[in-house]
Amino acid sequence: QKEVEQDPGPLSVPEGAIVSLNCTYSNSAFQYFMWYRQYSRKGPELLMYTYSSGNKEDGRFTAQVDKSSKYISLFIRDSQPSDSATYLCAMSAYKGNTPLVFGKGTRLSVIA
Amino acid sequence: DTAVSQTPKYLVTQMGNDKSIKCEQNLGHDTMYWYKQDSKKFLKIMFSYNNKELIINETVPNRFSPKSPDKAHLNLHINSLELGDSAVYFCASSLTVAGVRGETQYFGPGTRLLVL
Repeated sequence: QKEVEQDPGPLSVPEGAIVSLNCTYSNSAFQYFMWYRQYSRKGPELLMYTYSSGNKEDGRFTAQVDKSSKYISLFIRDSQPSDSATYLCAMSAYKGNTPLVFGKGTRLSVIA
Repeated sequence: DTAVSQTPKYLVTQMGNDKSIKCEQNLGHDTMYWYKQDSKKFLKIMFSYNNKELIINETVPNRFSPKSPDKAHLNLHINSLELGDSAVYFCASSLTVAGVRGETQYFGPGTRLLVL
């Protein structure tokens, strides 16, 4: 079992839809959880960052972490064509220089 | 001004050649990284340097050798290139070593390497 599992999609939704993106993980030591957005032929950029469990909201984006289920989610409300990108979850443990572990990314297309 | 820049953007070369990719950041960050993203979009860290010192060295063939001449630069030299080295290589930086765990990492645009 890979440390981080993420459905690669592709996921295609109409403009205005609510999008739900998810990752599961196996390492209970993970404490930091991130979502990165990667446009085609660009580098990833940090979208949301959460420490430990709970929810975090930023505009149309909401990140949720459920450590008991080892499950994280990113919700996008009122999705726009400009949200079309690949979304990668990433996480890391607390101790030492343990690097970020990325999911494979979910490719999202928002159709106008 | 580009925050994290890489050169070249594209690199096409023959098996067995040696090539280098350069990375520079003008953010004043202490920590820099090299990532490899394969054809399946899987992004995996290769190396990390903090203040010119190697702090992360994942299981990477020793044909790959990073070099950090100063805090703002982290170059990647690859010897005896193989077909399996074809991928997109991303450089990234973070303000401190905490970026290893979760502090924001800023990525460059990537170098697309194709080994024929």
